[in-house]
Parts: sequence; structure tokens; C-alpha cells
Amino acid sequence: AQKITQTQPGMFVQEKEAVTLDCTYDTSDQSYGLFWYKQPSSGEMIFLIYQGSYDEQNATEGRYSLNFQKARKSANLVISASQLGDSAMYFCAIQGGSEKLVFGKGTKLTVNP
Amino acid sequence: DTGVSQDPRHKITKRGQNVTFRCDPISEHNRLYWYRQTLGQGPEFLTYFQNEAQLEKSRLLSDRFSAERPKGSFSTLEIQRTEQGDSAMYLCASTRDRGDTGELFFGEGSRLTVL
Repeated sequence: AQKITQTQPGMFVQEKEAVTLDCTYDTSDQSYGLFWYKQPSSGEMIFLIYQGSYDEQNATEGRYSLNFQKARKSANLVISASQLGDSAMYFCAIQGGSEKLVFGKGTKLTVNP
Repeated sequence: DTGVSQDPRHKITKRGQNVTFRCDPISEHNRLYWYRQTLGQGPEFLTYFQNEAQLEKSRLLSDRFSAERPKGSFSTLEIQRTEQGDSAMYLCASTRDRGDTGELFFGEGSRLTVL
């Protein structure tokens, strides 16, 4: 079984600054994938970034990077140069030996001008 | 727009009624997923299809819930004898056979309110 813990219900950041959203996970699978999704108020889940458990390099996608610390079972999302459009819910998720993604409860990010 | 399409976007029904949601995945995506999201929570997996075969179901999918994907194209999720606890956003997602990232493409969801 997999579990995702996101301990920050809400985060605030000033425009153009960087912000880190925390995610810890628990799994008994040796091979797994970690995902971050963004959910704006429209409701659609938007894929941001993926990290495989065997990937040695931290994943990066534009302004998004995933700080993967396997021994600590953490997969924090770093957003650099925050923009007003980054205001949304952010969900961390894990996928192990089955097809399902297990999501955390999310973090609401607010970017202030 | 060639994204995942869900219909209806909103549904209000009375307890005890049946409701059906439809999902049209991205063309040529052979994998289709249903998730349920309640207020303040992340999405929870309900079921997964590969082509027309339903290969995985969550224990959340009680006997009142049924999903189909005839001919491996669109999918329907039916809830019979709705209860107030069924009120949620029902999200559909699709993808091709696993690529490097296994990214899922989600629709905008169908919001159900049971009165």
C-alpha cells in the first residue's frame, strides 16, 4: 500500500520568489513513481513533473523541480520565480505496483503580487 | 479541443435517483481511469480500463457503482440509488501505454450534488 503526506494545508509566496511544497511518502514497492499535479479552480488536474524511484537525478520541468530524497522518503516540489497563475491546489501522488495513483490531501498555494 | 471531455459538468439529483457520467478520452489513449474527489481531499482511484477491459477496481466502488467502456472508446460511470455521501467530483483521466512519465491527462470533472 502507498501513502502520501502533505503537511502544509496552505502556503503563501510573493510573486517572483521560490517556494517549496512538502511531500513525504510511504510504500513497500521497490519500484515506484512520484508525481506532482496542479489543480486550478477550474478543477482539471494538470501534470507538472515526474520522478522515478530509480532516477538518480532530480527531475526538472521548466520552473518546476522535484527535490527527491529517497532515504528520507520525500519528494518536495520547488517552484522558482512564482507567478500569479501558480495560485492553485498542488497534489503529490505515488504509483507503485498497480495502475492507481495515490494522492495526498494537497497544498493550497497563494501567490501574492 | 482534443483533451479529455466529461459530461455533464454538473449534476444535481435527489437521493435515490440514478446518475450516469460520460468520459471521452483523448483519441488513441487506450488506458482510462475514474477518480473521485471530495471536498478538501485529493482524488481517490475508482477504476481502470485498458481498452474495453476493466482491469482494476477500488473497494470504494460499491455495488451501486458500475463503469463500462464499450469498444474501448468512451466510458460511462453509473451510480444507482444515489446517497448524499456520493456527492463529489468525478474525474476521468486517460493515457497511452506507459511512457517515460506515465502522465495522466485529466478532464475537468463532473460534479455531483445529491440532495
